[in-house]
Amino acid sequence: DGGITQSPKYLFRKEGQNVTLSCEQNLNHDAMYWYRQDPGQGLRLIYYSQIVNDFQKGDIAEGYSVSREKKESFPLTVTSAQKNPTAFYLCATGQGFNYGYTFGSGTRLTVV
Amino acid sequence: DAKTTQPPSMDCAEGRAANLPCNHSTISGNEYVYWYRQIHSQGPQYIIHGLKNNETNEMASLIITEDRKSSTLILPHATLRDTAVYYCIVRVAGVSGSQGNLIFGKGTKLSVKP
Repeated sequence: DGGITQSPKYLFRKEGQNVTLSCEQNLNHDAMYWYRQDPGQGLRLIYYSQIVNDFQKGDIAEGYSVSREKKESFPLTVTSAQKNPTAFYLCATGQGFNYGYTFGSGTRLTVV
Repeated sequence: DAKTTQPPSMDCAEGRAANLPCNHSTISGNEYVYWYRQIHSQGPQYIIHGLKNNETNEMASLIITEDRKSSTLILPHATLRDTAVYYCIVRVAGVSGSQGNLIFGKGTKLSVKP
């Protein structure tokens, strides 16, 4: 089946540790996106990539880093510089501007 | 910031039509209206999008006013499984970079009741 795989579904980390969230797609979509969602809030864009080896900061990129070495993969690293990392993280892909995004099922990160 | 205004919550009786309004009074001529929904703790799901004509698919209908300043998403026969947060988004088509990104507001929490 074509789709987006985010792993793991739940992730726990100690404060001060970096953590990497995985996002893999087999939809052959060029663009990939990372969003963060806090309880009761909408989604906020962290980073996006429209082509391999290129990515751009979104609205809340501070404390996060990404890479796009392959079309299929867009991992997000939550660094120790992120002040409030506990959140629901969603990865999405897009193909063309007249189409919508396809979202993964998300990773819920809890930092203790 | 989101360019749309939606009521924070709505109720609908099961089997009845759910009409979700969205105001986008500053929409530009090259911006589409997109609707997504998010069931609790899942990723958002694309529903429908349109530019100026009314659109219909297997999930819903989208009615856009002639001046394009508002729209309504219609779920013709709401079921309990339609309980979700519904997001109305405007998005520039055909451009690269941040202008083409989807910006999510807080949406409307639709509760379908038996």
